[in-house]
Amino acid sequence: DADVTQTPRNRITKTGKRIMLECSQTKGHDRMYWYRQDPGLGLRLIYYSFDVKDINKGEISDGYSVSRQAQAKFSLSLESAIPNQTALYFCATSDPRQGWTGELFFGEGSRLTVL
Amino acid sequence: GEDVEQSLFLSVREGDSSVINCTYTDSSSTYLYWYKQEPGAGLQLLTYIFSNMDMKQDQRLTVLLNKKDKHLSLRIADTQTGDSAIYFCAESTGKLIFGQGTELSVKP
Repeated sequence: DADVTQTPRNRITKTGKRIMLECSQTKGHDRMYWYRQDPGLGLRLIYYSFDVKDINKGEISDGYSVSRQAQAKFSLSLESAIPNQTALYFCATSDPRQGWTGELFFGEGSRLTVL
Repeated sequence: GEDVEQSLFLSVREGDSSVINCTYTDSSSTYLYWYKQEPGAGLQLLTYIFSNMDMKQDQRLTVLLNKKDKHLSLRIADTQTGDSAIYFCAESTGKLIFGQGTELSVKP
């Protein structure tokens, strides 16, 4: 089983709908991240959380919100989806303990299409 | 601000060496990374280099870091079709900033 699990893996929705992407992890990591991937733009950070009570905006947070329900769960919401939010979304985790090199562990991605 | 730049595509023949280049802007980066993304999958760490090193070698992979020019490269020796993927350069300034990704195509 994957250590970082994203649901759904694929979703097609319509403009204006509310969408939630969920991420759960079994790695026991405190830090969790949401990125979006667009061709030619690489990965851009949407939000990140260093522990359950900590939420931070990334480069492109407008139009998105997040909730850190527990150490293992971090969900991303689009309150009113628009077509330019069509992208591949990745959840990632990291563990800043002694000897940490900054490595991120990624889920398999959630492909969202907004019509 | 933080910025990481890569060329988007590279095509090589099987058995040749591949060199993927990256430039970054933040000189305070502690680590620099190369991640690999295979089709339909998430990113996985391929290798990393600490900022006080010039070179790191790991089997077929060689990472070169030029801090003066803020230039990072990844050389893959004896490139195989299984190396076809998107390769992302990233710098760490507390959080990871990724480049656009270089799509490596290996032709038989």
